[in-house]
Amino acid sequence: EVQLVESGGGLVQPGGSLKLSCVASGFTFRDYWMNWVRQAPGKTMEWIGDIKPDGSNTNYAPSVKNRFTISRDNAKSILYLQMSNMRSDYTATYYCVRGASYYGYNYLDYWGQGVMVTVSS
Amino acid sequence: EIVLTQSPTTMAASPGEKVTLNCLASSSVSYMNWYQQKSGASPKLWIYGTSNLASGVPNRFSGSGSGTSYSLTISSMEAEDVATYYCLQLSSYPLTFGSGTKLEIK
Repeated sequence: EVQLVESGGGLVQPGGSLKLSCVASGFTFRDYWMNWVRQAPGKTMEWIGDIKPDGSNTNYAPSVKNRFTISRDNAKSILYLQMSNMRSDYTATYYCVRGASYYGYNYLDYWGQGVMVTVSS
Repeated sequence: EIVLTQSPTTMAASPGEKVTLNCLASSSVSYMNWYQQKSGASPKLWIYGTSNLASGVPNRFSGSGSGTSYSLTISSMEAEDVATYYCLQLSSYPLTFGSGTKLEIK
């Protein structure tokens, strides 16, 4: 069974930093693109970025580029999201999401339970 | 950035009623994915590649569309279909989600 378990959320002050982790199990982690997606309370979802299976390439949403860094440890099956210079509008539930493809169609298939991050003084 | 506009924002349907949710893209995309999110839960992949049902999705659901216009249809509304549905495009970076359609039951 595929499982994605996020941790590291909590309260952080504006301008502060926070690092989220996502432990993956039930699949061969090193074979998959991985993503972070966030959802502010009562809002739609926002894709944050993704990372290639070998960790050699990342892509980011314009709103977080140069503030967030995605990385991974394939030996431990862990995905990371380092967030810096945080703003109040970064308050959201952050999801770790697996990327997959089938016959040329890409999609995000398995989602973690999400971890809440609150940016407030 | 491709903007996805979903309509309606909210709708209520009676049990057994046919329901159609729409997703309009600001530029042409190759295909569309749909997600179902129930209150307090993580989103679930519902439809991928425009018309392919994810594992476990009832066959009363279907997806269609091309270019800039896509839709999700429920042939006969059931109480368990109450949720918010989001479309997602992966044709170009950044990946973008629609604003969602909240589906309720009458």
